[in-house]
Amino acid sequence: EVQLVESGGGLVQPGGSLRVSCEASGFTFSTYWMHWVRQAPGKGLVWVSLISSDGTITSYADSVKGRFTISRDNAKDTLFLQMNDLRAEDTAVYYCATDLHGYFDDWGQGALVTVSS
Amino acid sequence: EIVMTQSPATLSVSPGERATLSCRASQSVGSNLAWYQQKPGQAPRLLIYGASTRATGISARFSGRGSGTEFTLTISSLQSEDFALYHCQQYINWPKTFGQGTKVEIK
Repeated sequence: EVQLVESGGGLVQPGGSLRVSCEASGFTFSTYWMHWVRQAPGKGLVWVSLISSDGTITSYADSVKGRFTISRDNAKDTLFLQMNDLRAEDTAVYYCATDLHGYFDDWGQGALVTVSS
Repeated sequence: EIVMTQSPATLSVSPGERATLSCRASQSVGSNLAWYQQKPGQAPRLLIYGASTRATGISARFSGRGSGTEFTLTISSLQSEDFALYHCQQYINWPKTFGQGTKVEIK
């Protein structure tokens, strides 16, 4: 059974930093592309970032480019999202998701990130 | 960036009735269209991919149709567990954009 468990969410002040993690199990993590998707309170899903299976390809939404960094540790089956210079509009639940065929097969339960003073 | 537009924003349906949700793409996405279901406080769950193929374990009540720019998700006979938020997503191009969602609520 595929399991994705996010951690690292919390309350942070504007301009601060936070790193969220996604620990994977139940599948061969190193063969999957992975994504981060966020959902602001009461809003829809917004794609944030992707990383290829070997970590050599990354991409970001314009709204987070230059502030967020996606990475992965295939030896530890873990995906990361380093978030710097956080803004109020980054407040959201952050989900990690798997991608083997283009669509998002499995999702984690989400990590809530709140940016507020 | 491909813009995905879902309609209506909210659909009020009685249990046992049929619900039809629409999703439109700003340019052709072929059949590279997925639907997800999201219940309150839960993560999204893949329902349909390839515009019409049900994901593993998904009830036959759910059916997807369309190609190009116009897509529909039909729930044939709404059960209590089907009242939720539904998202469409194109995955032909980066970024893999989502619609804003359709909430199916009990009438």
